[in-house]
Amino acid sequence: EPEVTQTPSHQVTQMGQEVILRCVPISNHLYFYWYRQILGQKVEFLVSFYNNEISEKSEIFDDQFSVERPDGSNFTLKIRSTKLEDSAMYFCASLYRGLNTEAFFGQGTRLTVV
Amino acid sequence: KNEVEQSPQNLTAQEGEFITINCSYSVGISALHWLQQHPGGGIVSLFMLSSGKKKHGRLIATINIQEKHSSLHITASHPRDSAVYICAVVRETSGSRLTFGEGTQLTVNP
Repeated sequence: EPEVTQTPSHQVTQMGQEVILRCVPISNHLYFYWYRQILGQKVEFLVSFYNNEISEKSEIFDDQFSVERPDGSNFTLKIRSTKLEDSAMYFCASLYRGLNTEAFFGQGTRLTVV
Repeated sequence: KNEVEQSPQNLTAQEGEFITINCSYSVGISALHWLQQHPGGGIVSLFMLSSGKKKHGRLIATINIQEKHSSLHITASHPRDSAVYICAVVRETSGSRLTFGEGTQLTVNP
């Protein structure tokens, strides 16, 4: 069965450092998303990406965040200068079409900022 | 107030019991998803609904668009069903992104 793959599964970084979280969506999917879940809280939307550009972003997704799809397969989330409050589980998701289709999630990257 | 509310927050059942988890939402939606989150954190899609009812194995999901309510039922529950079950909606006004409920922690005891 096709799956969304995220790497690394766990990353520990020092406050102020840059991190890149990587995702390989399902190959024929067109819509890509990053969500995050702070420990003990609900999952929150960060950004959606379609046709090589951001289609929607939340208030959380400020200037320290960026996304790109550099080579047509990987989909990355970069956090430029990490803060303690960025510690969370980050999920990548992909959809074949945007609306009314099943969402496929990766296993998540647990980011710990110390 | 959250746009997506789930009840109960926590549910403990004995193996074999019939389980119902409820989801109410306060916004217009184009679709509703039921997701399962395992103890390790990974999220798996169970159902995507825009109307009516769907069944997959021991799982049944229903939605009533007029009442803005959905239910997830598990028949003949088993300890391996223990997980967090999450309701998430696609709002009519927000493209295709998901808006999540808080989740329901289900524990099924043998």
